[in-house]
Amino acid sequence: AQKVTQAQTEISVVEKEDVTLDCVYETRDTTYYLFWYKQPPSGELVFLIRRNSFDEQNEISGRYSWNFQKSTSSFNFTITASQVVDSAVYFCALSEPRRGSTLGRLYFGRGTQLTVWP
Amino acid sequence: DGGITQSPKYLFRKEGQNVTLSCEQNLNHDAMYWYRQDPGQGLRLIYYSQIVNDFQKGDIAEGYSVSREKKESFPLTVTSAQKNPTAFYLCASSIGTGPDTQYFGPGTRLTVL
Repeated sequence: AQKVTQAQTEISVVEKEDVTLDCVYETRDTTYYLFWYKQPPSGELVFLIRRNSFDEQNEISGRYSWNFQKSTSSFNFTITASQVVDSAVYFCALSEPRRGSTLGRLYFGRGTQLTVWP
Repeated sequence: DGGITQSPKYLFRKEGQNVTLSCEQNLNHDAMYWYRQDPGQGLRLIYYSQIVNDFQKGDIAEGYSVSREKKESFPLTVTSAQKNPTAFYLCASSIGTGPDTQYFGPGTRLTVL
C-alpha cells in the first residue's frame, strides 16, 4: 500500500520566519518518485519539485529547499524567510513506478495549510 | 500559452441533474486525469486516460463518467448517481503515465443545491 502523511494540518508563521513542512511516506517499491505541489487560494495546484528515490541530494531553489531522507522515509520542504505570498496549501505526493500498462499513479497527502502573517 | 483550462470556474446544480465539467489541454500530453478535492482532504483520483478512446477508473469512479474522443479534451460528467457531488474538481495532464509530472488546471467548484 502507498501512503503519504502530512501530520501538520495548519502552520502559522510571521513573515521572514523559516518554516518546514513535513512529509513522511510509505512504499514497498525501491523505485519511486516524490513531489511537492503548492495550492494557492485560487485553487490551481502548482508543481514545485519532483525527486526520484535514487537521488538523495538536497535541493535548493531560491528560498525553497527540500530534504530527502530514505532512512526515515521523509521528504521535508523548508521555506526560508517566508513571505505572505507563500500562504497556501502544500501537498506532498508519491508516485509508484509504472508496471506494464498500469498507471503510475500519484498518492497525495492531505496537505498542510501554511499562513504567513505580515 | 500552453496549459490546461477548466470551465466553468463555479457550477451550481440541482439534485438529480447531470452536469459536465470541461477540461482542455494544449500541452500535447497523452495522459489526463480527474481528481476530486474535499475540504481538508488530499486529492482523490476519479478517472484517468492514457490515450485517446481509452480510460480507466480511479479510486472513486462511482457516479462519474468520462470520455476521451480527442487528445486535448477529457470532460467529466457528474451524474445524479453521485451521492455527494459538492466538491472541487481538478483536471491534470502529463506527458505519459508513470512518474511523469502532472500539471493541473485551475479547477471547477461544483455545488449541488
